[in-house]
Order: sequence, then C-alpha cells, then structure tokens
Amino acid sequence: QIHLVQPGVEVRKPGASVKLSCKASGYTFTSHAISWVRQAPGQGLEWMGWISTQNAYTNYAKKFQGRVTMTTENSATTAYMELRSLSPDDTAVYYCARDRNTGSAFFEYWGQGTLVTVSS
Amino acid sequence: AIQLTQSPSSLSASIGDTVTITCRASQVLYSALAWYQQKPGKPPLLLIYDASTLEVGVPSRFSGSGSGADFTLTISSLQPEDFATYFCQHFTTYPLTFGPGTKVDLK
Repeated sequence: QIHLVQPGVEVRKPGASVKLSCKASGYTFTSHAISWVRQAPGQGLEWMGWISTQNAYTNYAKKFQGRVTMTTENSATTAYMELRSLSPDDTAVYYCARDRNTGSAFFEYWGQGTLVTVSS
Repeated sequence: AIQLTQSPSSLSASIGDTVTITCRASQVLYSALAWYQQKPGKPPLLLIYDASTLEVGVPSRFSGSGSGADFTLTISSLQPEDFATYFCQHFTTYPLTFGPGTKVDLK
C-alpha cells in the first residue's frame, strides 16, 4: 500500500521557520513528483509548489518564492518543505501529495497533513 | 495564473437527490481538470481526473463532464457519505490552482 506519512503538529513563533517531512512508502519514490498544498482553517486548498524526485527540480508558486525550499532525501524516500519567516497567516494544515505521473499533476495520494500553528 | 470559480459555494440537498457543481476556468483547460471530495479533518480524495475519468474505487454515481473552460461534477442519488466539500483543480500548467470549494450539506 502507498502511504505518505507526515508529522501531526508543529508550533512555531512568528519569524521562525518550519521544515516539514513527508515519508513515502509502497512505491518507487523517484517515479513521482511531490507537491505541497496547504489549507488554512476553514479555507480552500492552496498549491505551494512541487519537486521532482528524479532531479530535484522545483517549481514554486509565486506567492512563496524566496520563502520556501522543497527538497528530497531519496535514500530515505522522504520529501521536505521548509517555510521561513512565518507569520500567523501561515497557520494551516500542510499536505504533501503525489502526482499521478509526469504531465498529470493531479493527486491520488495525500499525506494526512501537518497542522502548523504560528503564534506568539 | 489560471483562476477557477465554483458554483454554488454551498448547497443543501436530500438523500437521493442529484447534485450538480460547476467549475469555470479563466482560460481553456482542455480536459486537464480534476475533482476532489474532502471531509473535515481529512485530506482530499480524488474523484475524477481528465475532466470525466472516474478514479478507481469511486462510486459510479459520481461523474464529470465538460471541456474547454466549463466543467461539471454530478452526483446522482446522493448518499449520506457524500455530504462533504468538493474542489476542482486544473493541471494544465503551473501554477496549479484549486477552486474555492462547494459545500454540500443535508437539507
């Protein structure tokens, strides 16, 4: 079975950074890109960017450029997303999701999400 | 970036009803559109991709149609487990975007 496992909760103060992990299992990690999507409380889904697990190419949403870094550790089948200069507006559930395949950037597998709370 | 709008933003329906949700894009998507269902505290669940292809394991009462810039998700004979929020998402080009969602609740 395919799983994307994320930690449940992270708490940070404004101005801090958070690095979230997404541990994949049950498939060949380098065969599918990983996207990160966030959802603020009671709000919709916001795509943040994606990373190729084959060559580490990244494509970030303009809103997050300069503040986000996505990486992978292929030997550990894990993807990471670091978000810096956090503000209370960054309070959200952060999901990792696996692309169906190249050219088909929709998501059949999602992690359970990490709730990031930013509060002083 | 391509903008997606959904209508209605919410609707109330009864068990057995047929429900239709519309997603409109600011540009032509061809058929690069997916639909998801999301329940509180859970990640989204893929229902439909390529505008009309039913994901494996999704009940056949869900169907998608449309092309170009106008798309529809139809739920025939609404079941209790279908009360949820539904999102569309385009994957024509980056950045990917999602529609704002349609909440379906019990009348």
